[in-house]
Amino acid sequence: GQNIDQPTEMTATEGAIVQINCTYQTSGFNGLFWYQQHAGEAPTFLSYNVLDGLEEKGRFSSFLSRSKGYSYLLLKELQMKDSASYLCAVRPDPGGSYIPTFGRGTSLIVHP
Amino acid sequence: SAVISQKPSRDICQRGTSLTIQCQVDSQVTMMFWYRQQPGQSLTLIATANQGSEATYESGFVIDKFPISRPNLTFSTLTVSNMSPEDSSIYLCSVEAEQGGGYGYTFGSGTRLTVV
Repeated sequence: GQNIDQPTEMTATEGAIVQINCTYQTSGFNGLFWYQQHAGEAPTFLSYNVLDGLEEKGRFSSFLSRSKGYSYLLLKELQMKDSASYLCAVRPDPGGSYIPTFGRGTSLIVHP
Repeated sequence: SAVISQKPSRDICQRGTSLTIQCQVDSQVTMMFWYRQQPGQSLTLIATANQGSEATYESGFVIDKFPISRPNLTFSTLTVSNMSPEDSSIYLCSVEAEQGGGYGYTFGSGTRLTVV
């Protein structure tokens, strides 16, 4: 089975740094996604990690440790527009189902 | 990456009626996925739609309730049949597409359904 855990809600101040954690227990692993979803909109792709380590893309970075079943999304220089839900999704082993399982999402509130 | 046009964006429907949601992709894709997202909840996969074959439904979802069509490689529909208030949710279609140098999932803009 698949189990993905991430905090329900986080708050942070504009200009600060926030780290959103995701832990997973899945039957096989073939990559982890992070998506951003603003209220009333569709999720949009942020990152995909398949190997251990940190991947940086501008203000956003994503880290993966496969041995620990752990990932985080790091958001720097927070802006008000970063207030959104952040979804962690794991793609299982391609030998089985390749369709990702999504976590419940972390609602991030950025305040002035 | 692929662009998906999904409609309607929202609807309010009477219980017992049916609503058909359409997704049009700007490129040919093998598989299209249909998800449901209830308020504050995760995305739940309803079914996978392949062109030329019957859709594959996840546990808890059946064809009679959620019939799917996939007439070609760029289009699919999901019908929510005999609706009840419990069907009120956001419905999203998705395709696998190239993103960020690899492959990720692109979503349609979603259909917000309210059943009264």
